[in-house]
Amino acid sequence: RKEVEQDPGPFNVPEGATVAFNCTYSNSASQSFFWYRQDCRKEPKLLMSVYSSGNEDGRFTAQLNRASQYISLLIRDSKLSDSATYLCVVSLYSGNTPLVFGKGTRLSVIA
Amino acid sequence: EPEVTQTPSHQVTQMGQEVILRCVPISNHLYFYWYRQILGQKVEFLVSFYNNEISEKSEIFDDQFSVERPDGSNFTLKIRSTKLEDSAMYFCASTISSRSNEQFFGPGTRLTVL
Repeated sequence: RKEVEQDPGPFNVPEGATVAFNCTYSNSASQSFFWYRQDCRKEPKLLMSVYSSGNEDGRFTAQLNRASQYISLLIRDSKLSDSATYLCVVSLYSGNTPLVFGKGTRLSVIA
Repeated sequence: EPEVTQTPSHQVTQMGQEVILRCVPISNHLYFYWYRQILGQKVEFLVSFYNNEISEKSEIFDDQFSVERPDGSNFTLKIRSTKLEDSAMYFCASTISSRSNEQFFGPGTRLTVL
């Protein structure tokens, strides 16, 4: 069973659209949750941490449902620069612990 | 802004050769990691390192792999006898403390084994 599952996409959306990504994780003991962004052949970069109460950072909103082991990311008013692969990431503990990555969902924002 | 650096950016080697991938973590960070990403696949954890010893390693990190912090700044990953399937992007990451799980990634080394 895959530890972190994501729809691979690609999602092709016009500029200004709202797009939502979903992710499920298999280990109910997971404690920390993140969305990373990865541009083609580049390193993953932290987009935002995901908290149980949900959190927002500008155009980005992340939500966590521990009961369903489900994480989401909503991007509003998509920009061309949002085109990237979005990685759902969990870790078992808080603090120093390996990150477990999903395979990512590719987003292309089209003019 | 401080960043993790890695050298070389691209390494081409023959099967069976030893390679050393180098990383300079962010200077006040204490926890270091290596991950790899085979082309088209997900990022996978290899090993974590703290206080000059391995904290945790994955099943990928077998006897062919070793890590070292030879001085106060460098953190290296050695693959003793490379195989074709070792071809991947290798990312180094660091984090400041045990309370933070925000890991900062370097730009990666693309390893190609021929």
